[in-house]
Amino acid sequence: SQTIHQWPATLVQPVGSPLSLECTVEGTSNPNLYWYRQAAGRGLQLLFYSVGIGQISSEVPQNLSASRPQDRQFILSSKKLLLSDSGFYLCAWNHGSGNTIYFGEGSWLTVV
Amino acid sequence: GESVGLHLPTLSVQEGDNSIINCAYSNSASDYFIWYKQESGKGPQFIIDIRSNMDKRQGQRVTVLLNKTVKHLSLQIAATQPGDSAVYFCAAGTYKYIFGTGTRLKVLA
Repeated sequence: SQTIHQWPATLVQPVGSPLSLECTVEGTSNPNLYWYRQAAGRGLQLLFYSVGIGQISSEVPQNLSASRPQDRQFILSSKKLLLSDSGFYLCAWNHGSGNTIYFGEGSWLTVV
Repeated sequence: GESVGLHLPTLSVQEGDNSIINCAYSNSASDYFIWYKQESGKGPQFIIDIRSNMDKRQGQRVTVLLNKTVKHLSLQIAATQPGDSAVYFCAAGTYKYIFGTGTRLKVLA
């Protein structure tokens, strides 16, 4: 069966520090990969999605970036965090189009 | 731009009653719709989905209804239980999905 893991689960970082959140999917190949952000009490905002290695589409202009160095690995990064980057970050995957997206357990980021 | 909205931010239901959570979407090209349940501090969990060529789909205690004419879908939970308390999201799209802001379901004992 397929599983998705993301880490770290919680992170407290000072303003201006870098960020790296990692996500891996196991038990499948060539998945579509997604990063979403969920601000407190709000819906899910799509940040990035990837249909293959090195192929990244950005949905929202911001100081975050994403990379996909391997087929089943997706990384969310920032060079300098802002207070507004605080939130719950979710990695997700699916296959093809018109198919269910499966989420990881999320990473809580607090920028102080 | 595209949007997905839920009609009520909070819904309180007596245990044992049926719950109905509503959602509206804006993009008529959306052909796949998903309902998720999210418990506090966790990632969303898949509940049920429906494709645009259907107007109703049933699962265990859950039913999703899709009305493409008015771009509306709903999630019905039968015999609501305390364990159903969570935030429910709908999502609409094709290969990328727009999520609603969520409805918090509170089950009253």
